[in-house]
Amino acid sequence: AQKVTQAQTEISVVEKEDVTLDCVYETRDTTYYLFWYKQPPSGELVFLIRRNSFDEQNEISGRYSWNFQKSTSSFNFTITASQVVDSAVYFCALSEGGGTDKLIFGTGTRLQVFP
Amino acid sequence: GAGVSQSPRYKVAKRGQDVALRCDPISGHVSLFWYQQALGQGPEFLTYFQNEAQLDKSGLPSDRFFAERPEGSVSTLKIQRTQQEDSAVYLCASSGLGTGPNYGYTFGSGTRLTVV
Repeated sequence: AQKVTQAQTEISVVEKEDVTLDCVYETRDTTYYLFWYKQPPSGELVFLIRRNSFDEQNEISGRYSWNFQKSTSSFNFTITASQVVDSAVYFCALSEGGGTDKLIFGTGTRLQVFP
Repeated sequence: GAGVSQSPRYKVAKRGQDVALRCDPISGHVSLFWYQQALGQGPEFLTYFQNEAQLDKSGLPSDRFFAERPEGSVSTLKIQRTQQEDSAVYLCASSGLGTGPNYGYTFGSGTRLTVV
């Protein structure tokens, strides 16, 4: 069965610190997609990244970077030099290829960045 | 519109009351999804439409939940005889043809339902 685990419920850091959010997934499919979404207090889920199972290349986008390791079934997210505006709940999600493309979400990690 | 619009933003219902939640997807988006997000949890899939066809309703928790998208655009999620456990944020998302979550479909801000 598909499952996404985000073991960190809440993380607090001081501005400019680096922080890594962990995500471990389970799936029996060989083709799947992994995602990260940000949910600010307004409630809307904001898409950050999609990664397919055949592309293990790490991704960097500004202060954000993602480390995908199939060997450990992990898709971790690092924010470098965190800012107060990064405070939000972050969700990791999994979708299997084909079908309805429905997302299986983890329980989320609440990140608080203090000035 | 520019984004996915959901209404109402907040809804308080008395237990046993019927409610209807509306989702206005991005114009032209073929795929539409409903998710339920309980407090402190991640969103959970409810149902999926491709145009007006409901292709997957495996996540609907009971027969009190019903969704429709009669003309392939606006969708309504209806909950009959609401119970306290139905209290949650209901999120709608849409995506264009052939993209699906491969491009990270667009979510609305949700409707927060509180059953008292």
